[in-house]
Amino acid sequence: DAGVIQSPRHEVTEMGQEVTLRCKPISGHNSLFWYRQTMMRGLELLIYFNNNVPIDDSGMPEDRFSAKMPNASFSTLKIQPSEPRDSAVYFCASRQDSGANVLTFGAGSRLTVL
Amino acid sequence: AQSVTQLDSHVSVSEGTPVLLRCNYSSSYSPSLFWYVQHPNKGLQLLLKYTSAATLVKGINGFEAEFKKSETSFHLTKPSAHMSDAAEYFCVVSGGSGGYNKLIFGAGTRLAVHP
Repeated sequence: DAGVIQSPRHEVTEMGQEVTLRCKPISGHNSLFWYRQTMMRGLELLIYFNNNVPIDDSGMPEDRFSAKMPNASFSTLKIQPSEPRDSAVYFCASRQDSGANVLTFGAGSRLTVL
Repeated sequence: AQSVTQLDSHVSVSEGTPVLLRCNYSSSYSPSLFWYVQHPNKGLQLLLKYTSAATLVKGINGFEAEFKKSETSFHLTKPSAHMSDAAEYFCVVSGGSGGYNKLIFGAGTRLAVHP
């Protein structure tokens, strides 16, 4: 298995633009998590899905952020409009629920909003 | 509420010397505890996990951690550091009132290994 695949790895955009981050979880994993990592706040859980259904989005910072999981092999995190304070590394992770609550992380998407 | 505190933000050791990364947790329940490692520009990788079985947990790359309930600690150790161990390490707690899905990450400890 290729692991959790995220794209793009790096994104530089201007304030006000729409940003879409993508994630392909490990096949057979039925939970998917989006995290954000910044120097100031560390790793924060934004949202997680179970069997493609959003379960807890209490970590989504504001309405500019939205996430979807249209099927078991794909998820997106969208920011519209983007702001400089959204600059961070965004990680996607997946988990097989029958296991021991171990998350497998992707390599991350580094977002810079100018 | 659950929380996890990594007592050192930076640790520096010489190659071949022991590594100790300290972690204290707070939980009203029997927690599950993890250590993850993040190499530069990479995602997080699981080193080891404690889930109420043996209190001494062995992980990958020669790391181990001991769960001490009386001290609410879960320190990570390795007898002999290697240059490739230089990375950031995260102590993580889950379970309890936050639920199975709520992983609480510590702030991280950056490990530097010098020749």
